[in-house]
Amino acid sequence: GIQVEQSPPDLILQEGANSTLRCNFSDSVNNLQWFHQNPWGQLINLFYIPSGTKQNGRLSATTVATERYSLLYISSSQTTDSGVYFCAAPGGSYIPTFGRGTSLIVHP
Amino acid sequence: DTAVSQTPKYLVTQMGNDKSIKCEQNLGHDTMYWYKQDSKKFLKIMFSYNNKELIINETVPNRFSPKSPDKAHLNLHINSLELGDSAVYFCASSQEGVSEAFFGQGTRLTVV
Repeated sequence: GIQVEQSPPDLILQEGANSTLRCNFSDSVNNLQWFHQNPWGQLINLFYIPSGTKQNGRLSATTVATERYSLLYISSSQTTDSGVYFCAAPGGSYIPTFGRGTSLIVHP
Repeated sequence: DTAVSQTPKYLVTQMGNDKSIKCEQNLGHDTMYWYKQDSKKFLKIMFSYNNKELIINETVPNRFSPKSPDKAHLNLHINSLELGDSAVYFCASSQEGVSEAFFGQGTRLTVV
């Protein structure tokens, strides 16, 4: 089945800093999702991005499907950005398959 | 108006008990899932179900079973609970083939 790898596994930032999270996947995919799991455990949909670039406020994502990776950019980070960021790509039978996540801590 | 809702949010129970977690989606999706999130935060698929087929992750013990009374519901039944079943369980739904998935708020199961 598809392999989804995320890097870095852990990230610590000072408030106001920018960061880039990466997601590599082993097979061609027709969609890619980014999620944020907040400190209360909720999984929040950030982007559904099969290809190209999307922006939502301080967050943006780019997927280059032909090269099998996606990037999540966080600009001017805030403490509320803390949590775990997951990407997921469809495996067999289109079942979303998750990477192991990037754990982000933003210090004030 | 919650898209995917699961109950209860917390469940504490003794070893050996049987318990159920309920899940409902109001998105009109045709496929529902159960995931288990372990202590290292890894999200692993347990079941995928639509009205055509049930796909079971072969690593899931047969003490776990999904039950779908209708297209909008997929409940998770667990028999003879063990300490190792303690985890957070997430329900999700999507439209097969399109596959933007939406998740419930999770159920934290603690077996004592």
